[in-house]
Amino acid sequence: GQNIDQPTEMTATEGAIVQINCTYQTSGFNGLFWYQQHAGEAPTFLSYNVLDGLEEKGRFSSFLSRSKGYSYLLLKELQMKDSASYLCAVMDSNYQLIWGAGTKLIIKP
Amino acid sequence: GAVVSQHPSWVICKSGTSVKIECRSLDFQATTMFWYRQFPKQSLMLMATSNEGSKATYEQGVEKDKFLINHASLTLSTLTVTSAHPEDSSFYICSARDPTVSYSEQYFGPGTRLTVT
Repeated sequence: GQNIDQPTEMTATEGAIVQINCTYQTSGFNGLFWYQQHAGEAPTFLSYNVLDGLEEKGRFSSFLSRSKGYSYLLLKELQMKDSASYLCAVMDSNYQLIWGAGTKLIIKP
Repeated sequence: GAVVSQHPSWVICKSGTSVKIECRSLDFQATTMFWYRQFPKQSLMLMATSNEGSKATYEQGVEKDKFLINHASLTLSTLTVTSAHPEDSSFYICSARDPTVSYSEQYFGPGTRLTVT
């Protein structure tokens, strides 16, 4: 079966760095997405990785290792507004998105 | 990025009535749209894939006669919750892919919060 695993909840301090991991087992792979979702709102796109390596976009970076079925989202210089759920999703061979359960990130002052 | 709108943003209805939710792609033509449901503190659950001009594909466990999906044009898909019950109260979100972009992220609408009393 298809499976996406990510931690349920993480806590970090304002100004610090946090890494949210995601491991996956899917039928085929056409890329991995990270989305941010604030409570009561729809998800917003953060990043897309289809090749191995690190993609940097401002304070956020995303890494992919296809051979290990592993990705992480790195958030630097954390701000209170970064408190949200972070969703990992993999596009399978049918171009369907398989979603992880999301990681709730709590930022403390 | 592309914009997807949803209407209404919230709705309260009485048990037994039907509610229609609209999803529109505003600046691109979406041959495929997706309908999700999200209960509090849970992740997105794909309900169905809506294809323009053909029948929707429903995920296992989703009643197609209860959740009617119509994708009549390249910019509009509708979800009708028929004979709504309190357990149907949830956050319903649609998304769409831009088929002109090879990998294309899914662009999400703002969601519709349904409360059935």
